[in-house]
Amino acid sequence: NAGVTQTPKFQVLKTGQSMTLQCAQDMNHEYMSWYRQDPGMGLRLIHYSVGAGITDQGEVPNGYNVSRSTTEDFPLRLLSAAPSQTSVYFCASRFQDNSPLHFGNGTRLTVT
Amino acid sequence: KQEVTQIPAALSVPEGENLVLNCSFTDSAIYNLQWFRQDPGKGLTSLLLIQSSQREQTSGRLNASLDKSSGRSTLYIAASQPGDSATYLCAVYPGGFKTIFGAGTRLFVKA
Repeated sequence: NAGVTQTPKFQVLKTGQSMTLQCAQDMNHEYMSWYRQDPGMGLRLIHYSVGAGITDQGEVPNGYNVSRSTTEDFPLRLLSAAPSQTSVYFCASRFQDNSPLHFGNGTRLTVT
Repeated sequence: KQEVTQIPAALSVPEGENLVLNCSFTDSAIYNLQWFRQDPGKGLTSLLLIQSSQREQTSGRLNASLDKSSGRSTLYIAASQPGDSATYLCAVYPGGFKTIFGAGTRLFVKA
């Protein structure tokens, strides 16, 4: 049972480049979400999904897109990377409302 | 707006000491509260989850309590070990699929 899997673990981008952070879970969780973690700012919610085909914005959605075509996968897309998006990104999932939240190991992104 | 505060921000204790980490939240309307551990460069590992109807949860040397009326939770670690050194985060779930995290307490246990 792999849990929540994120790829890649590290990524360096130049300003203006695009990329997709991958997140997959094998626990049949309906709810998936993306957070970014920055020093002094804690964890902030970017986007979340409550099921396939359903997504919504979190606290800091600007500059990021998401889609949820399957229960298992929830990719995060950066269309035009900016240095302000340098951060550690975490994907998390839960089985249903009020269940424990499970995290992936994160992707450390640097934008130069 | 729900806010979660963790005090202290950092804590250093000798091995073997019992310790308490604190978490406070501003709105008592929560479904649950979850404690996590984060090692440097790693993801968050769930330690304990307390539902709003519960007063405490225990796992091994860890005990978490919840007092909704006062907006407080504590994580008690018994007989601390160097391997307990990590950052501990609490998170409240007020519903609506948006979990609110505290900034964490960085714990260092000296051998």
